[in-house]
Amino acid sequence: EAGVTQFPSHSVIEKGQTVTLRCDPISGHDNLYWYRRVMGKEIKFLLHFVKESKQDESGMPNNRFLAERTGGTYSTLKVQPAELEDSGVYFCASSQDFAAASSGELFFGEGSRLTVL
Amino acid sequence: GENVEQHPSTLSVQEGDSAVIKCTYSDSASNYFPWYKQELGKRPQLIIDIRSNVGEKKDQRIAVTLNKTAKHFSLHITETQPEDSAVYFCAALPLGTGRRALTFGSGTRLQVQP
Repeated sequence: EAGVTQFPSHSVIEKGQTVTLRCDPISGHDNLYWYRRVMGKEIKFLLHFVKESKQDESGMPNNRFLAERTGGTYSTLKVQPAELEDSGVYFCASSQDFAAASSGELFFGEGSRLTVL
Repeated sequence: GENVEQHPSTLSVQEGDSAVIKCTYSDSASNYFPWYKQELGKRPQLIIDIRSNVGEKKDQRIAVTLNKTAKHFSLHITETQPEDSAVYFCAALPLGTGRRALTFGSGTRLQVQP
């Protein structure tokens, strides 16, 4: 079974440009999460989709970040315009429905590293 | 909201020694505490988890303990090996409530010296 896949693995852009990150969750996982890790800090929650609906977007830093999950399958996270402080590794993770699962295990992608110069 | 503190940020041990990583959490409603291991360049992966109805859980060389009263939980790795070298993250979640996103600690970089 394919795991969570993310693209691109590394993106280098200039301040003010736009970047779109993509995540393909594990097939059948309704829950999809975006997290971000800035160097040396915690893996910080950004938002959570249940199918195509945004369940919780309390972690989104500001309105330069836009996440979508049309059709409830893959998700995109767009940063426009990018700022220096947006640099970090953006992780996507998916999980089964918590009501059905025996644990809250998240399955992570390998992350998309964003460098804003 | 939940806040998870993790210590130490880096830990270096000799092969064969034990390693202990500690976390504290703030939300008394949290009842699920997983630990993730991230090897260099790879994705974080769940290695062990514990629920608040038990105080300790063990899986071969790794164990996790939980003190609900003090809101502490710890990861213990015995007989460390070089392949244990990685960044370890603790996390907390109140399963059964409306919140479904893990809150992570800041990570501990473990280096096992051969």
